[in-house]
Amino acid sequence: DAGVIQSPRHEVTEMGQEVTLRCKPISGHNSLFWYRQTMMRGLELLIYFNNNVPIDDSGMPEDRFSAKMPNASFSTLKIQPSEPRDSAVYFCADTRNSGNTIYFGEGSWLTVV
Amino acid sequence: ELKVEQNPLFLSMQEGKNYTIYCNYSTTSDRLYWYRQDPGKSLESLFVLLSNGAVKQEGRLMASLDTKARLSTLHITAAVHDLSATYFCAVTSYNNNDMRFGAGTRLTVKP
Repeated sequence: DAGVIQSPRHEVTEMGQEVTLRCKPISGHNSLFWYRQTMMRGLELLIYFNNNVPIDDSGMPEDRFSAKMPNASFSTLKIQPSEPRDSAVYFCADTRNSGNTIYFGEGSWLTVV
Repeated sequence: ELKVEQNPLFLSMQEGKNYTIYCNYSTTSDRLYWYRQDPGKSLESLFVLLSNGAVKQEGRLMASLDTKARLSTLHITAAVHDLSATYFCAVTSYNNNDMRFGAGTRLTVKP
């Protein structure tokens, strides 16, 4: 079981560039979550999907952020254009068939300069 | 809106001592989670508590849930240095997979 796989693990980009973060969930998942973690704001839920359908995106900071889940095996979080305040660790997490435990990926460490 | 509050936010303990971390939440919930995070690492699932009165133990950590008080505790027994980490509680509300986290408790166990 490879767990939740995220890429890239680390990215440094210039302000204004487009950033795409990727997540490959555990097979057979029910729900998929995107979180952002910063020192100032802690862990924030950005969006989550149930069976590939976005359920709640109220945590997405602004229109620069978008997330998709075209199929059960893949999700993306895109920031366009990126800004320095977007620097954070972005975690993808999902549930397995039981739905009771939520497993986190290793995170994507984003720095926007 | 579901809110989760942890206290204390920072905890410095001596090895061998006991202590409790508290997690309060604002609305009816059906699941409560405890996670551990080491610096620079991801979140590791420790416990999932599903019902009132639930108690789970793993090594020196024991978690309990009181749904009537909307309170969960994480009790540390005879702390050791390896327990130094940040501990988060998280809650999902009924009929909703929206999981909200507390601010975390940064635990430091000193020799």
